[in-house]
Amino acid sequence: NAGVTQTPKFQVLKTGQSMTLQCAQDMNHEYMSWYRQDPGMGLRLIHYSVGAGITDQGEVPNGYNVSRSTTEDFPLRLLSAAPSQTSVYFCASSYGGRGAGGYGYTFGSGTRLTVV
Amino acid sequence: GNSVTQMEGPVTLSEEAFLTINCTYTATGYPSLFWYVQYPGEGLQLLLKATKADDKGSNKGFEATYRKETTSFHLEKGSVQVSDSAVYFCALVYNQGGKLIFGQGTELSVKP
Repeated sequence: NAGVTQTPKFQVLKTGQSMTLQCAQDMNHEYMSWYRQDPGMGLRLIHYSVGAGITDQGEVPNGYNVSRSTTEDFPLRLLSAAPSQTSVYFCASSYGGRGAGGYGYTFGSGTRLTVV
Repeated sequence: GNSVTQMEGPVTLSEEAFLTINCTYTATGYPSLFWYVQYPGEGLQLLLKATKADDKGSNKGFEATYRKETTSFHLEKGSVQVSDSAVYFCALVYNQGGKLIFGQGTELSVKP
């Protein structure tokens, strides 16, 4: 089925460990984004990309790195996990240009990350 | 900057009651507006959208009208069901910019 696939669904890390959250879409979408969701704070944008090779910071980028080498994939890297990064992470994708406003974003099912 | 403000929850209603969730936005230019819904333990689903002033988005009995004069996009439903219990997010995006900006979400609980 077409959509946004996130892996893993659940992850427990120890403080200081590193890991990569995977995100892939098969809809040929130009735009991709990463959000974190915390209780009472809605969804906050971490990083986003408007095409392969182009990334930019969102509202809360510290502690996270991204790269976009292909249209399909947009991995999120935690270099040294901290308890403050315990959250639910969502990846989303959309058509580029006016398409983002016309069609909205499609979201993955999320990764629940706990840092102990 | 661009932002979205929603009424705070949680909102608790009885089945068949009328629902309104207020949403206002701050933006320059002409954003597109969205309502997303998140059911317990799931990701976000697009509920409805409007891309220009006076457009009305509708889906599953929910409606919202893009009001440029009041910078609002309030969500309404005439008769809620228990299955509508979820968190509702108002959001905006610039057609060219690509960044989707969310309000803080409003939790709705519908009791039988």
